Amino acid sequence: SQQGEEDPQALSIQEGENATMNCSYKTSINNLQWYRQNSGRGLVHLILIRSNEREKHSGRLRVTLDTSKKSSSLLITASRAADTASYFCATARGDSWGKLQFGAGTQVVVTP
Amino acid sequence: DTAVSQTPKYLVTQMGNDKSIKCEQNLGHDTMYWYKQDSKKFLKIMFSYNNKELIINETVPNRFSPKSPDKAHLNLHINSLELGDSAVYFCASSQLGQAYEQYFGPGTRLTVT
Repeated sequence: SQQGEEDPQALSIQEGENATMNCSYKTSINNLQWYRQNSGRGLVHLILIRSNEREKHSGRLRVTLDTSKKSSSLLITASRAADTASYFCATARGDSWGKLQFGAGTQVVVTP
Repeated sequence: DTAVSQTPKYLVTQMGNDKSIKCEQNLGHDTMYWYKQDSKKFLKIMFSYNNKELIINETVPNRFSPKSPDKAHLNLHINSLELGDSAVYFCASSQLGQAYEQYFGPGTRLTVT
């Protein structure tokens, strides 16, 4: 079964706006990661947040993690057309030999 | 230099055929993975090898057989291809003990007709 589920499934915004997407998961985790996938390409790692962290920043990205609610959010500030992609959350359990469980992704379209 | 590479990028074949996909990483990682991404973009792990040893083997038909000749290579062989095998297959690598951040290849789009 799917571990992470993203919400919304699709998001359409204009350049300069912020984009927020959420991820919920079911079991305890070691860390949660966000990946980006441009159309026809492989996934690119964006940011990792450990289970004992609550917030993390990387450039225009801000990730939060609420382990009590088993949820995470990814905020992209001041979006650009180049941010158009699918965004996936993935969870890793400490005992899982690197096994990541991915959600179905949020498709983000940023129009100029 | 490409970090994780896969060949071929596209593969079109008929039902019943046998095909292989190759993956190589030059990152010095000790762990490699195969994922399948379906038409709804859902990504599911299939196999993982750590130092040439199989460590993750999800519920995958035994028509799929991974092979790791060395730490830098992980190939996927598929026997008796079926229509439902059509998908994009991604290879990835990581260094265990570094929080499992994974590096993905560009994918192989397999179409079975």
